[in-house]
Amino acid sequence: EAQVTQNPRYLITVTGKKLTVTCSQNMNHEYMSWYRQDPGLGLRQIYYSMNVEVTDKGDVPEGYKVSRKEKRNFPLILESPSPNQTSLYFCASVGDRGSDTQYFGPGTRLTVL
Amino acid sequence: AQSVTQLDSQVPVFEEAPVELRCNYSSSVSVYLFWYVQYPNQGLQLLLKYLSGSTLVKGINGFEAEFNKSQTSFHLRKPSVHISDTAEYFCAVSRRGNQGGKLIFGQGTELSVKP
Repeated sequence: EAQVTQNPRYLITVTGKKLTVTCSQNMNHEYMSWYRQDPGLGLRQIYYSMNVEVTDKGDVPEGYKVSRKEKRNFPLILESPSPNQTSLYFCASVGDRGSDTQYFGPGTRLTVL
Repeated sequence: AQSVTQLDSQVPVFEEAPVELRCNYSSSVSVYLFWYVQYPNQGLQLLLKYLSGSTLVKGINGFEAEFNKSQTSFHLRKPSVHISDTAEYFCAVSRRGNQGGKLIFGQGTELSVKP
């Protein structure tokens, strides 16, 4: 079954404590993205990756890092989380055409106290 | 740059009534258009997409959308809704030729179907 998995699904942490949200896809997609969803703002892209070792900033990259060491994995790293990063995070993957359907993970709800 | 505006943040409707969720977009280049649905506590699922050809696009669960180039709109419709259609709906665009499929999302519309 084609899927994107994320872990953890829920996370409560404190300001400044480094955390990583993992993302993995089994469709051999080249492109992967991270989005954050906030009420009234829809989803906004944080970072994306075109292939292994190739990443670039999206619309709201401040405070986040990513890496793409393997094609299937695209972890999101918050080196020093702050309360304004409390949000719902989605990982997505897609083939190499703009017309392709993006597949989304189930989401990670992060609360930073 | 592209932008998407969903004109209604919340749409309450009674079961079996028709519904229309409105979406307008702005872009200086050609785009692909998508509607995604997010059920409570779940990720996003594609409802339908417009790539080219017929401007009326049919999707899953009885939904359809019409692309109107002159009005830059892509409204989503269903002739008769069910309680199970209660969810948040997102309109999105992707620039044609944009590899990587970056999606620009609207703010979302909460559809609430009441018995």
